[in-house]
Amino acid sequence: NAGVMQNPRHLVRRRGQEARLRCSPMKGHSHVYWYRQLPEEGLKFMVYLQKENIIDESGMPKERFSAEFPKEGPSILRIQQVVRGDSAAYFCASSSRTGNSPLHFGNGTRLTVT
Amino acid sequence: AQSVTQLDSQVPVFEEAPVELRCNYSSSVSVYLFWYVQYPNQGLQLLLKYLSGSTLVKGINGFEAEFNKSQTSFHLRKPSVHISDTAEYFCAVSVNRDDKIIFGKGTRLHILP
Repeated sequence: NAGVMQNPRHLVRRRGQEARLRCSPMKGHSHVYWYRQLPEEGLKFMVYLQKENIIDESGMPKERFSAEFPKEGPSILRIQQVVRGDSAAYFCASSSRTGNSPLHFGNGTRLTVT
Repeated sequence: AQSVTQLDSQVPVFEEAPVELRCNYSSSVSVYLFWYVQYPNQGLQLLLKYLSGSTLVKGINGFEAEFNKSQTSFHLRKPSVHISDTAEYFCAVSVNRDDKIIFGKGTRLHILP
C-alpha cells in the first residue's frame, strides 16, 4: 500500500498527557499538510511542511501544538498537555506539488482526551 | 484570504434522482477548485478538480462540476445517485499551487431508498 499512512488510528490520552500523531506521506511526496476535523466544522488547516521546513503554520494554535517533518522518517504532530477540546480527528495529506497535483489523505487519527 | 461556503449541511435525495451540492468561494485572485468525498471512518478522496480550461469538469463516480466565475460557484452534480454515494462531500479552494487548500464545512448526502 503506497498511500498516506497515519498511526495510530485511535489514540486515547488523559488530560495533561502528550499526544504524538505520525504521518508517512506517499512515496515520492515531499509536502505534508495536517488538518483537524470536528463535527459540523469541516476540515481546518493546521500546518504545511516540506522536508525539514515549516512553510505555513497559520492554522496551528500558538501553544502546546508543534509539527515537524524531518529529513528521515514520518511527519509528527505533537500536542502537549492535552485538554478535552483537543479531541478530534486529525488528518494528514501529502502531495508532490509537481504541476497541480491534488492532496492524498490518510485515514486519520482519532484523538480522544478523557 | 480565500474562503469556501457550502450552504447545505445535509442533502437528502431519493435513489436514482439527480443531485446538486452547492459551493461558493471568495477570492480576489484566480483559484484552483476541488471536490473531495469522505466515506465513514476514512480520509478524503479527490472527486474532481478545476485548474484552468473548460469550465465543466468531469470526475470519478459519475460526478461533474461547473466553474462559474461570475457567480463564484463550483456546484457538484450527478444525474442519478446510488446508495453507495452516501458520504460527506467537501468543496475546497487553493489560490496557487504552492498554497494550502481551504475546505468548506462539508455537505452530508443522504440517499433515500
